[in-house]
Amino acid sequence: KAGVTQTPRYLIKTRGQQVTLSCSPISGHRSVSWYQQTPGQGLQFLFEYFSETQRNKGNFPGRFSGRQFSNSRSEMNVSTLELGDSALYLCASSPRGRETQYFGPGTRLLVL
Amino acid sequence: GESVGLHLPTLSVQEGDNSIINCAYSNSASDYFIWYKQESGKGPQFIIDIRSNMDKRQGQRVTVLLNKTVKHLSLQIAATQPGDSAVYFCAENTGTASKLTFGTGTRLQVTL
Repeated sequence: KAGVTQTPRYLIKTRGQQVTLSCSPISGHRSVSWYQQTPGQGLQFLFEYFSETQRNKGNFPGRFSGRQFSNSRSEMNVSTLELGDSALYLCASSPRGRETQYFGPGTRLLVL
Repeated sequence: GESVGLHLPTLSVQEGDNSIINCAYSNSASDYFIWYKQESGKGPQFIIDIRSNMDKRQGQRVTVLLNKTVKHLSLQIAATQPGDSAVYFCAENTGTASKLTFGTGTRLQVTL
């Protein structure tokens, strides 16, 4: 099976802009979770989607949002970008969300 | 996408020696634990997992030990190889939640 794929792999934006990142889970996986990884905070959970519904949410401001489509693909959006949003954004999928999560390669976002 | 930041604890071992990476977890309700390996430019890669009803689980060259009394997890890598050089994360999960809580990570350096 193909692994989790994320696009784009690299992105440069300026403050105030918005960005959309995409994630395609492993075939058959219905749960998609998003994480932010930074040197200062490590890996932090953003949110999880299952069957097109947000099922869990981490402690991030409302500028961070997501959605899931009927084919389980997911997107996350960050509006009004801040310098501190520069990070590696990781997507992980699992069959139902309560098993091992498998990660994609991430999208490296740089906010200038 | 490099894995993590600048101030990770580092374990340096010689090729062929055994490595032990430790992790203290925070939530006594956590019942599922996972070790991930993250190489530079890649997302976290699943190594091994263990449920709270076990105290030891073995894989290929790896063993995970769980001590629920002191909330401690360890990963043992036998006959460490240069390809094992990476950052290792432990992650915890509760059965009722689909989000992972990650430890800060340990950088493993294998010297020849």
